[in-house]
Amino acid sequence: QVQLQESGPGLVKPSQTLSLTCTVSGGSISSGGYYWSWIRQHPGKGLEWIGYIYYSGSTYYNPSLKSRVTISVDTSKNQFSLKLSSVTAADTAVYYCARDSIEEQQLEYWGQGTLVTVSS
Amino acid sequence: QSALTQPASVSGSPGQSITISCTGTSSDVGGYNYVSWYQQHPGKAPKLMIYEVSNRPSGVSNRFSGSKSGNTASLTISGLQAEDEADYYCSSYTSSSRVFGGGTKLTVL
Repeated sequence: QVQLQESGPGLVKPSQTLSLTCTVSGGSISSGGYYWSWIRQHPGKGLEWIGYIYYSGSTYYNPSLKSRVTISVDTSKNQFSLKLSSVTAADTAVYYCARDSIEEQQLEYWGQGTLVTVSS
Repeated sequence: QSALTQPASVSGSPGQSITISCTGTSSDVGGYNYVSWYQQHPGKAPKLMIYEVSNRPSGVSNRFSGSKSGNTASLTISGLQAEDEADYYCSSYTSSSRVFGGGTKLTVL
């Protein structure tokens, strides 16, 4: 059973960089066939796709966030990470990592989510 | 990349059927058979309910079904149960990325 777990600071100051890591267990990121995704949900709002990465390092980002987002992968640790720069209060959200099947285009496995608050 | 359009809320009584629509464009919903649906209870991570328009993952009740016509996909829940009360999100593949709907709150009366 694949499991994903987000980790990182729950509080980030405005203008700083938000950094989160997703640790994958029960399966290898390097096995291929999947994109490793970041998705966020503003308080009381809907889901917003941030982007995803393939184990080779190929990345795809939401155009609305592309200038501030970097997703990277560390196959040796079976982890992938999110960096979001120049954050504002509008970036306060629950951040989820998830596994996206390339063949079926579905998100079957999700982390539990982590709330990141942007505040001074 | 605009969000897919879903009704903000739907409701139904136990035992009834409801349908949630998800409207996109020919660049997403209409262009690919890669629509998926997610159920989210308060404080929980989303759960995959339907993928590739109409396929159910193992373990998902057959009361949940999906379909698509043109640029609009639909999720139907039959035999409504109290536990179905949740938020539902559609999602579609679109040109090397993904887009979600705004979400629909299902209330079981």
